[in-house]
Amino acid sequence: AQSVTQLGSHVSVSEGALVLLRCNYSSSVPPYLFWYVQYPNQGLQLLLKYTSAATLVKGINGFEAEFKKSETSFHLTKPSAHMSDAAEYFCAVSDINAGNNRKLIWGLGTSLAVNP
Amino acid sequence: SAVISQKPSRDICQRGTSLTIQCQVDSQVTMMFWYRQQPGQSLTLIATANQGSEATYESGFVIDKFPISRPNLTFSTLTVSNMSPEDSSIYLCSVDIQGGETQYFGPGTRLLVL
Repeated sequence: AQSVTQLGSHVSVSEGALVLLRCNYSSSVPPYLFWYVQYPNQGLQLLLKYTSAATLVKGINGFEAEFKKSETSFHLTKPSAHMSDAAEYFCAVSDINAGNNRKLIWGLGTSLAVNP
Repeated sequence: SAVISQKPSRDICQRGTSLTIQCQVDSQVTMMFWYRQQPGQSLTLIATANQGSEATYESGFVIDKFPISRPNLTFSTLTVSNMSPEDSSIYLCSVDIQGGETQYFGPGTRLLVL
């Protein structure tokens, strides 16, 4: 079965510093991988996704992620953090449920704090 | 993407009662999903709802507790039945509009059970 591990439940960076949020997955088939962001008291917003095209995926708000098959990783980065990036970030991998439908397997999330 | 709305946005309920949460999408979608997100935790899939068929429930979730309706391609409801304080959570619906690749989420329903 697929699984997702997000290393670091809390990450704190200074404004303007590099953001690196780690995600490792296990999958028996070529995976679809996703990063979502959840701002306080809001639903989830898709940041970016990997679906077997280019390994470096660019998303919204200046975020990008690189799919590395050899490392089974899909880490999220942003060159320069902004105060508005403070949020909860979730990594997810696509799987198949009992009804033969796709579903998402979620990591536990990483809370990003940005310090002035 | 899709515009997804949920009603109610939040509610405070008494134990033993039931609450029905509505999810409306601005376009026709095949698959809709219902999630629970307990405070400070990740998302847990409750069930997948396809129009015209019974919902598929994940392990640990049963239809008697979380009945789901999917009357058409733009609407679904989730009922939380016989509520207890342990049901206090955020309930999220999502839709898949790209053939199984990407899910888009509603804003969530924040439920507090006293």
